[in-house]
Amino acid sequence: DAKTTQPPSMDCAEGRAANLPCNHSTISGNEYVYWYRQIHSQGPQYIIHGLKNNETNEMASLIITEDRKSSTLILPHATLRDTAVYYCIANNYGQNFVFGPGTRLSVLP
Amino acid sequence: SAVISQKPSRDICQRGTSLTIQCQVDSQVTMMFWYRQQPGQSLTLIATANQGSEATYESGFVIDKFPISRPNLTFSTLTVSNMSPEDSSIYLCSVATAQTGDRDEQFFGPGTRLTVL
Repeated sequence: DAKTTQPPSMDCAEGRAANLPCNHSTISGNEYVYWYRQIHSQGPQYIIHGLKNNETNEMASLIITEDRKSSTLILPHATLRDTAVYYCIANNYGQNFVFGPGTRLSVLP
Repeated sequence: SAVISQKPSRDICQRGTSLTIQCQVDSQVTMMFWYRQQPGQSLTLIATANQGSEATYESGFVIDKFPISRPNLTFSTLTVSNMSPEDSSIYLCSVATAQTGDRDEQFFGPGTRLTVL
């Protein structure tokens, strides 16, 4: 798996967009970018994944740069329940997910 | 998505004993994994549970300490053997499901919080 780097922590005001960056400069052509989050004391929750096109679902949007060396997860209207650790993972089919330390997002009232 | 349950949800055990954790999925899945999350840390993969054959362990983890079974496509167990306080962690089961026309997505169970005294 490609190594990913994320800021250790971020704050976001409730109701505003939370933009979480991830660098994956060594990603290979067939590795997808996955995002998970872990709310305290729970198992990680799948958010979204993509290869090279931007993706959107009911939870978030994923913006991947054209060179695929970085991506941004966007939570359009953050709520207090979005406070969690967010993990960015670059993964190839059939390979095991490698979790880094992630970004601890705090949504502030 | 797959619904995953784990038993027990938490336990407090004595040093030197063993605990078996169960993972049940509501549908047949291609792959099942066991992770450990030590206090304040990220997740570390212990092994891939293979149906009908021996599990595949990651570096630093051995079968004698963490025996794993996977008798069918919906169930797996992880045993933490001869426990010490350093084994105090959250143990998580995860599964990968092959989605038609898409990559495997991986889903996680709620975890088992183990405290070893």
